[in-house]
Order: sequence, then structure tokens, then C-alpha cells
Amino acid sequence: QVQLQESGPGLVKPSETLSLNCTVSGGSLNKYYWSWVRQTPGKGLQYIGYVSLKGTTNYNPSLQSRVTISLDRSKTQFSLKLISVTAADTAVYYCARVGVRYGTPYYMDVWGKGTTVTVSS
Amino acid sequence: SFELSQPPSMSVSPGRTATIVCSGNKLRNKYVSWYQQKPGQPPVLVIYEDDRRPSDVPERFSASNSGNTSTLTISETQAMDEADYYCQAWDASSVVFGGGTKLTVL
Repeated sequence: QVQLQESGPGLVKPSETLSLNCTVSGGSLNKYYWSWVRQTPGKGLQYIGYVSLKGTTNYNPSLQSRVTISLDRSKTQFSLKLISVTAADTAVYYCARVGVRYGTPYYMDVWGKGTTVTVSS
Repeated sequence: SFELSQPPSMSVSPGRTATIVCSGNKLRNKYVSWYQQKPGQPPVLVIYEDDRRPSDVPERFSASNSGNTSTLTISETQAMDEADYYCQAWDASSVVFGGGTKLTVL
């Protein structure tokens, strides 16, 4: 049974870089994409982006200039970097496995428990 | 840009049918997924590819997608179904979530 686990600092200073890792256990990275989604307090879900096994990435246009998602196959881990953070980036960050059909991402079927990141000085 | 719209909230009595709608331009041309999220927990996939249900999701959850609207139906609603529900679709270049519907069972 595939499990995902987010890790990283819970507190980031404004203007600095938010860095999170997601470790995949109990399954292979093959045949799926790997994504990040966040949820600000009391609000809905916001897609951040995904990375494929080949390293292809896709990002939310509203975050594209600040986001990098990468994958480390040897560690069965993928990562999120978000630069120049502000208080508006305070959120619960989830990693999720993305089901793919013909190269198109369709659904997120396995989620991590989420990690809270607060942006504050 | 493509958007998905959901009513912010709705309520249903136990044992009755809850119907949650998600609207988007030409939504019928896209595969829609639905997620259930309870407080303090990550989302759980309950419907994918319009109307398919993961094996561990109760049969009382069903969905359809036609025209500009996807509909999630929960039959014989139980107290445990009280949660936020989000629709989601892929639009050409990005994943889009609806704003979520808070379902209250009372």
C-alpha cells in the first residue's frame, strides 16, 4: 500500500524559500505523476504542480514563477521549492500521487497527511 | 482561465440523498474527480474519471458528468458523510479544483 509523507520546516521567514520533501513508500514511482497541493486556513484546495518520472513538470500559472518541483528516483522522493514566500503562502501542504491516462493527469488517489508551513518572521 | 463552481454549503437529513453540483464551461469534455475532506484530514478520492468509484468507497457515492455540470450523489446519507467535497478537473494546462461544498448532515 503506497504511502506518502511530507517533511520539511514548519516555519519559514518572509522572502525566503520554502522547501518540502515527499517520501514515497510501499510502491513504485512508475506510471504516475507526483504533485503538490496546498490549503490555506479555512479555504479550499490549490494545485501547485506536478512532476513526472521523466522530469516533465507542470505548474499552476499563478505560482509558476516561484515554484520548482523535482523528483529523486533513487530516494523515491520528490520535492517542492517555493521562493520569495509571503504570509499568503502560509498553508497546509499536501503531496499526492496523480493517476495518469495517455499522459494526462486525471485524479489524485493517494495523499500525504499534510504538513503545516507558516511564513512569519 | 477555466474555473469550477460549487455551492459553498448544503445540508441533508440522515437517510436522504445529497446532490452536490460542480459547474464549468464544457465540463462534459473533461474527466472530473471528487474528493471528500473531513476536518484535520487530507482529501480522499471518492470519484474519478467522471463516475468511477475507488474500491474502498461505499456504493452510496455516485456521480455523473453532462453538459457543463458534474453531479456527486450520496444516497442514504450518513452522519459520517458530513465533510467538505471538492470537484477537480484537468484543463489543458493545469489542474483546477472547485471551491468546495460543505455538506452538513442534520
